Amino acid sequence: RKEVEQDPGPFNVPEGATVAFNCTYSNSASQSFFWYRQDCRKEPKLLMSVYSSGNEDGRFTAQLNRASQYISLLIRDSKLSDSATYLCVVDTGGFKTIFGAGTRLFVKA
Amino acid sequence: DAMVIQNPRYQVTQFGKPVTLSCSQTLNHNVMYWYQQKSSQAPKLLFHYYDKDFNNEADTPDNFQSRRPNTSFCFLDIRSPGLGDAAMYLCATSRDAVAVNTQYFGPGTRLTVL
Repeated sequence: RKEVEQDPGPFNVPEGATVAFNCTYSNSASQSFFWYRQDCRKEPKLLMSVYSSGNEDGRFTAQLNRASQYISLLIRDSKLSDSATYLCVVDTGGFKTIFGAGTRLFVKA
Repeated sequence: DAMVIQNPRYQVTQFGKPVTLSCSQTLNHNVMYWYQQKSSQAPKLLFHYYDKDFNNEADTPDNFQSRRPNTSFCFLDIRSPGLGDAAMYLCATSRDAVAVNTQYFGPGTRLTVL
């Protein structure tokens, strides 16, 4: 079993749609969780951290369920510019980060 | 302004010919990381430096080495590149442990092995 697993997609959605991604992790001792965005052939960039209480940043909402060991990302009112790969990232402590392989999102006009 | 710089952006080498990739940072961060990312796969941590302390991941092949001569620079040396080493190599930095510090990534070096 992979340490961090994501549905690879792709998710094809129209502009304005709401789309949700899930991610599961295997290490129950994982401490911190993040969503990164990666555009084609570019470096990953931090989208948002994920807190136990859930957190929101504009159109983006992240949730963490420690009991079930999964993380989610909800994107509301999708924009064309949201098209990218979304990487789930888990920090297992110290300096070790495990990336998921990413979920590809295509937003169409 | 670029904060994590990688050179070159594209590197072509021959099978077995040593190659060095460079990373520099203007953030004065303590930690520098090297990741390998193959097409449609997750970035995979190879190793990191906390200041001068080198930390190798258990499954990183011996073919991969790293040097950090000072705070600003970190190098990835591939001693004998194989076809399977063709990938994007990403350098990242963080002030301290990732739990409370954002990682900043450079633009990557795309390595082709002929």
